[in-house]
This record gives sequence, structure tokens and C-alpha cells, in this order.
Amino acid sequence: NAGVTQTPKFQVLKTGQSMTLQCAQDMNHNSMYWYRQDPGMGLRLIYYSASEGTTDKGEVPNGYNVSRLNKREFSLRLESAAPSQTSVYFCASTRNREGTGELFFGEGSRLTVL
Amino acid sequence: RKEVEQDPGPFNVPEGATVAFNCTYSNSASQSFFWYRQDCRKEPKLLMSVYSSGNEDGRFTAQLNRASQYISLLIRDSKLSDSATYLCVVRTYNNNDMRFGAGTRLTVKP
Repeated sequence: NAGVTQTPKFQVLKTGQSMTLQCAQDMNHNSMYWYRQDPGMGLRLIYYSASEGTTDKGEVPNGYNVSRLNKREFSLRLESAAPSQTSVYFCASTRNREGTGELFFGEGSRLTVL
Repeated sequence: RKEVEQDPGPFNVPEGATVAFNCTYSNSASQSFFWYRQDCRKEPKLLMSVYSSGNEDGRFTAQLNRASQYISLLIRDSKLSDSATYLCVVRTYNNNDMRFGAGTRLTVKP
């Protein structure tokens, strides 16, 4: 069972470069999320998508864009990477639109911006 | 003030000890509460949901105090395998997002 799959798992970028983190879930979940995790900060929500066709900003959306391509896929784009975006990024999904269910996470994507 | 706050620890306890973590939240409209466990360099995984009346799952007990806006997690008879970071998660009804605390790190030693 794949669950939530994120790619790439590791990436090194130079300041100003762009990249897209891909996330796909095979659990037929409605809601999907992107978080970043920094030491001592816990997980902070970047963007979420309550259902296909909708996206909303979380706590720390600046510098990021997202696309809910279809029910399965939710991508996160960094248009012009900055060193402050060095972090571990987690994609997550949950079954219902109200978000009251369990969050299932991908294994994380470790991004370093030089 | 952070929306969800936890004591970062670390808590270092011997095997067999009982340990308790607290988590406070600032938004009184919060509706759903969870404890997640995260092992080093791994993704978080659900440990248990927290219900208004309190709930127990084996050695783990979760409590909710809405008046004081905190939730707690009690671990009895600690095992080496309980060593991890425990994340408090709160969801507010009018938002679809789930907010995480920074986590409390637990190390159980032989």
C-alpha cells in the first residue's frame, strides 16, 4: 500500500532556482496538505486543499504556490528558492473535507537551498 | 503567542516510569484534538485522538480540559520503544487546517 508518496526525497537548490515537490495519495482522500518542519518549530502549514479544485493558505504561504491537479495529486512549487526555505517538507492527506480524520503523511522531502 | 504550545523537553525517564505531557491551545473554537508520534527523521503518525470525556489506549491516556484549553498525554510503564517526539495537534472548526505544536521529545532509558 503506497499511501502518500512524495518526490523527490532529497533536493539541493541554489538561491533563485525553482522546483516543484510532487505529492500523490492513493487512498481516495478529499483533503491534502503541505507542511514544513524546522528544528524547534514543529510542523507549520503552508497550503491545504479541502477538496479537488480548492486551495487555501495556511500559516506560512509566502514564497510558495500549490496546484491541486486532481483528487490524487497536490504539488508545491517554489518559484525562486531562498535559504530560508531550507526545511523538511511533508505532504499529508485526510479522508473528509472537514479534516476531522487522521492525517496520513508522506515520508518527507528534504530541501536545502544554498 | 503560538496557537499550540508544548514543553519541548527533553524528558529523560527510566523504563517503567510514568510520564505526562501537556499541550495548551489558544483558540477556544478548537474542535478536534490529537496526539501524533514522530520518530527521528520519519513522518508523524497518529497515536490517538483526544475525546472530551478522555480516552485510554493501552498504556496511553489522553485528557482534554476545554475550560483551561489544554490536552494531556499520560504514558504508563514506559518502554524503550516509546522514545520519540510527541506532537499535539489541534483543529479549529472554521478552518480546515490542523495546527501542530513543536513537539515534546521523550527518551526512555534502560
